Amino acid sequence: DSGVTQTPKHLITATGQRVTLRCSPRSGDLSVYWYQQSLDQGLQFLIHYYNGEERAKGNILERFSAQQFPDLHSELNLSSLELGDSALYFCASSVGELSEQFFGPGTRLTVL
Amino acid sequence: GENVEQHPSTLSVQEGDSAVIKCTYSDSASNYFPWYKQELGKRPQLIIDIRSNVGEKKDQRIAVTLNKTAKHFSLHITETQPEDSAVYFCAARDQAGTALIFGKGTTLSVSS
Repeated sequence: DSGVTQTPKHLITATGQRVTLRCSPRSGDLSVYWYQQSLDQGLQFLIHYYNGEERAKGNILERFSAQQFPDLHSELNLSSLELGDSALYFCASSVGELSEQFFGPGTRLTVL
Repeated sequence: GENVEQHPSTLSVQEGDSAVIKCTYSDSASNYFPWYKQELGKRPQLIIDIRSNVGEKKDQRIAVTLNKTAKHFSLHITETQPEDSAVYFCAARDQAGTALIFGKGTTLSVSS
């Protein structure tokens, strides 16, 4: 157990809908990263927050957004969902911006 | 941006043999190279990492080597065991210094 928690474990929804994925970092970690894992694209970086501030963006679609709250948990919002958004979404946390990243158990999103 | 190539995509070995997985990266500014092991349905788990000021690092049966001039790094697993069977991902920290850019993964199968 890495100490990073994610909810929900599974999410099944329909095209066009909006969902929110939640991540709680390890105690003491200030950085949260979101990654998407799909069969064809592999593990892709989406976005990074450090102590509440957005620090870097990767291949994140405009339909996706995220934030990190004062208690350091983070939420990833996915809207206008498409079939191709079906994937595993992982968050990872680290103490600082240049430290080892530890992954949560992931949320499996299925869009029907 | 950073690009990471990983080979082979699949690797089958007999128990007790050694396994080697190789990765190349494109951004000479990258300075941190972790390896993750992912079992089916589980989170990526950090197993070893190396920073650019070190050429080799060992931890029991696993070792990682880095050649900065050639921009490649490798994972070596000795005396493989069936429980080593998993997907292994290499990664490089990107130019901005925060996100991890992952290779496509290597599925390692160890047969007894």
